[in-house]
Amino acid sequence: DVKVTQSSRYLVKRTGEKVFLECVQDMDHENMFWYRQDPGLGLRLIYFSYDVKMKEKGDIPEGYSVSREKKERFSLILESASTNQTSMYLCASSWGLVKSEQFFGPGTRLTVL
Amino acid sequence: GESVGLHLPTLSVQEGDNSIINCAYSNSASDYFIWYKQESGKGPQFIIDIRSNMDKRQGQRVTVLLNKTVKHLSLQIAATQPGDSAVYFCAENSPLTGTASKLTFGTGTRLQVTL
Repeated sequence: DVKVTQSSRYLVKRTGEKVFLECVQDMDHENMFWYRQDPGLGLRLIYFSYDVKMKEKGDIPEGYSVSREKKERFSLILESASTNQTSMYLCASSWGLVKSEQFFGPGTRLTVL
Repeated sequence: GESVGLHLPTLSVQEGDNSIINCAYSNSASDYFIWYKQESGKGPQFIIDIRSNMDKRQGQRVTVLLNKTVKHLSLQIAATQPGDSAVYFCAENSPLTGTASKLTFGTGTRLQVTL
């Protein structure tokens, strides 16, 4: 079975802190994604990566950055956390096919105080 | 997650009945569609997919119907069980850079199964 793991299930940070969310997949997938999920808005794509060291902006990249130094690991970085970044963050990965399902991790519930 | 359902449309069905969850998509160029199920506290889980050259696909207890004319998807669950209670999302696929695809998700429908 494909396994996508995220470093924390719950995280509480203060405004202005730098926050790292880590995601690891064990299926040698080329593509990895970060989404945030908010009530009434569904899942929105923040950033994605289609190869090591490659990254592309999604629909809502402002206030975030990412890092992919190894194929299996994709990190989401909040340079200076703000309260409007309180959300559920979901990582996903997929094979390098144009039409390919994405496999999701369990999510990280981030609260910024 | 546990708060994802606060503003969701809700479908309530009795155990054993069939469920139909509907989804409208926006991009007429979308060529691949997926239904995901999300239980409380978990990430979305793949249920079934369909490509745009098909109008129906069946899985175990689930059927997806695609009507490209009106840009509409539906998920049918036969003999609904309590374990089917969850939020269901449809997602439409469009190509991105390289071989990555972008999934655009609907806002979801909460399915409640009553005994």
